[in-house]
Amino acid sequence: GENVEQHPSTLSVQEGDSAVIKCTYSDSASNYFPWYKQELGKGPQLIIDIRSNVGEKKDQRIAVTLNKTAKHFSLHITETQPEDSAVYFCAADNNNNDMRFGAGTRLTVKP
Amino acid sequence: KAGVTQTPRYLIKTRGQQVTLSCSPISGHRSVSWYQQTPGQGLQFLFEYFSETQRNKGNFPGRFSGRQFSNSRSEMNVSTLELGDSALYLCASSTGLSGLQETQYFGPGTRLLVL
Repeated sequence: GENVEQHPSTLSVQEGDSAVIKCTYSDSASNYFPWYKQELGKGPQLIIDIRSNVGEKKDQRIAVTLNKTAKHFSLHITETQPEDSAVYFCAADNNNNDMRFGAGTRLTVKP
Repeated sequence: KAGVTQTPRYLIKTRGQQVTLSCSPISGHRSVSWYQQTPGQGLQFLFEYFSETQRNKGNFPGRFSGRQFSNSRSEMNVSTLELGDSALYLCASSTGLSGLQETQYFGPGTRLLVL
């Protein structure tokens, strides 16, 4: 089955700096890669996703890149703000509606 | 459009009891997936229901079961609770169209504590 690894597990940045979170996956059939943000006491919320026919996608301060050959994808947050502090999860889906998640990255943005 | 709702939000049970959690998907969504979230194991897939049928299942024991009703609302049941079942149980809904990976929208979760 699919195995998703996520790094780092914790990340601390200064407000205004960029943050990068990386994930690798094992199942070459995976072709949908969403990123979720989870704040304390809430369920995960989708922040951006990318499909395998695209190498990069951007939405304001958030971007995701995908390298299918290397089986890794990354989340980039620029100009970080304190409200970006949360736990971020990457996931991979191989079209079986059986989404596998990374272990999560706790991002702290210091004002 | 209302989001995914889950009830109850918090629950305390004792070992050996059973529990039923409820999830109402976004209107028009026919697929409901359930996940268990714990600090040690992260987010783990339990099962997915579509049109009242279990379509996919994760690696959990038979004590974990679910069902889906004709209005797409779903329930999951855990029997003979163990301490290790303490977790945040999340459900997520999507339209469930086959052959297409879709965004899953999560509810706020039900936090279950087993004493």
